[in-house]
Amino acid sequence: DAMVIQNPRYQVTQFGKPVTLSCSQTLNHNVMYWYQQKSSQAPKLLFHYYDKDFNNEADTPDNFQSRRPNTSFCFLDIRSPGLGDAAMYLCATSLKAGTGTFFGQGTRLTVV
Amino acid sequence: GDSVTQMEGPVTLSEEAFLTINCTYTATGYPSLFWYVQYPGEGLQLLLKATKADDKGSNKGFEATYRKETTSFHLEKGSVQVSDSAVYFCALKGTSYGKLTFGQGTILTVHP
Repeated sequence: DAMVIQNPRYQVTQFGKPVTLSCSQTLNHNVMYWYQQKSSQAPKLLFHYYDKDFNNEADTPDNFQSRRPNTSFCFLDIRSPGLGDAAMYLCATSLKAGTGTFFGQGTRLTVV
Repeated sequence: GDSVTQMEGPVTLSEEAFLTINCTYTATGYPSLFWYVQYPGEGLQLLLKATKADDKGSNKGFEATYRKETTSFHLEKGSVQVSDSAVYFCALKGTSYGKLTFGQGTILTVHP
């Protein structure tokens, strides 16, 4: 089935140690998003790619970066994770002209 | 800016009870409206959507009608099941690059 796949489902990293989360999609959607969801809160958009164009939300910390090497893959890099970065990270996709947004199952990041 | 307000939770019901979760929004233009469901430890699943005024979205017994005059998109189900226990998010997608703006989420617990 076409879908959005995130790896790993669970990631434990050390304070200050760079970590990369990955997302792949078989939907061939133009737009890919990264959301951060902290416990009992709504997802918050960090940034998105519109094709190859990267768009950062104004309040996304510099500690968060992203790469999209091709249509199917997108990565979230956290350069120096802090305890406050522990959260569920959700990748999502949508078509340029469509209205549906499809989410992966998320990666739960723990910082120790 | 765009915003979504959901009724405060959590909501606890007995099986076969009627469910309403209120959602109101503020947006410029004509947004699309969505309900997403999130089961513990999982990503978000699209439950239903409506793209214009008076549209009714429906899925798995859940319904919601896009009411422009009251800027509302309330979620209803006539008879809930234990398996409906989850967190429900109301969201809107405006005209800006497909960004979803979420409400704060409502925790639903259904007891046998």
